[in-house]
Amino acid sequence: EVQLLESGGGLVQPGGSLRLSCAASGFTFNNYAMSWVRQAPGKGLEWVSAISGGVGSTYYADSVKGRFTISSDNSKNTLYLQMNSLRAEDTAVYYCAKYTLSSSSQYYFDYWGQGILVTVSS
Amino acid sequence: QSVLTQPPSVSGAPGQRVTISCTGSSSNIGAGYDVQWYQQLLGTAPKLLIYGNSNRPSGAPDRFSGSKSGTSASLAITGLQAEDEAEYYCQSYDSSLSSYVFGTGTKVTVL
Repeated sequence: EVQLLESGGGLVQPGGSLRLSCAASGFTFNNYAMSWVRQAPGKGLEWVSAISGGVGSTYYADSVKGRFTISSDNSKNTLYLQMNSLRAEDTAVYYCAKYTLSSSSQYYFDYWGQGILVTVSS
Repeated sequence: QSVLTQPPSVSGAPGQRVTISCTGSSSNIGAGYDVQWYQQLLGTAPKLLIYGNSNRPSGAPDRFSGSKSGTSASLAITGLQAEDEAEYYCQSYDSSLSSYVFGTGTKVTVL
């Protein structure tokens, strides 16, 4: 059974930093791409960042480029999101998601963690 | 601001059929990128419902079906049940943004 468990959220002041972790189990972690998706309170879903399996190529939404860094530790089956220069608009529940390549060579998010709340406020 | 537009809400009585539209553009759905649908029950994480436009993952009820045409996609719920009351999001990829994109979300209410 695939399980994704986020941790590391909390309250941080504007301009501060936070590192989220996502512990994965139930699948061969280094064979799959992983992603972070966030949801501001009462709002819709927003893709944040992704990292490919194997080579570990990284991708970012424009809204976080240059401030957030995605990484993974295959020895620990863990995904990370280092968030720097945080802003009030980064306040959201952050979901870790596994994503899988379909038969048409396109990706979709097939499993999601329960989410972790990050609040940026003074 | 999302590039995929959905109606804010749809409703139906138990047993009825409801559909949710997802309207995109030539840089996402119209460019041939697949559409996925996710169900988010209140206070929980999203759950994959449809992938690759019309495929159901293991465990997804067969009363849910997806389709795609041109720059739009649709999710149909046939035989609406009380447990289907949730928020539904479409998702695709946008080549102009080089980003995965989600729809604005649709709240389904079972009357």
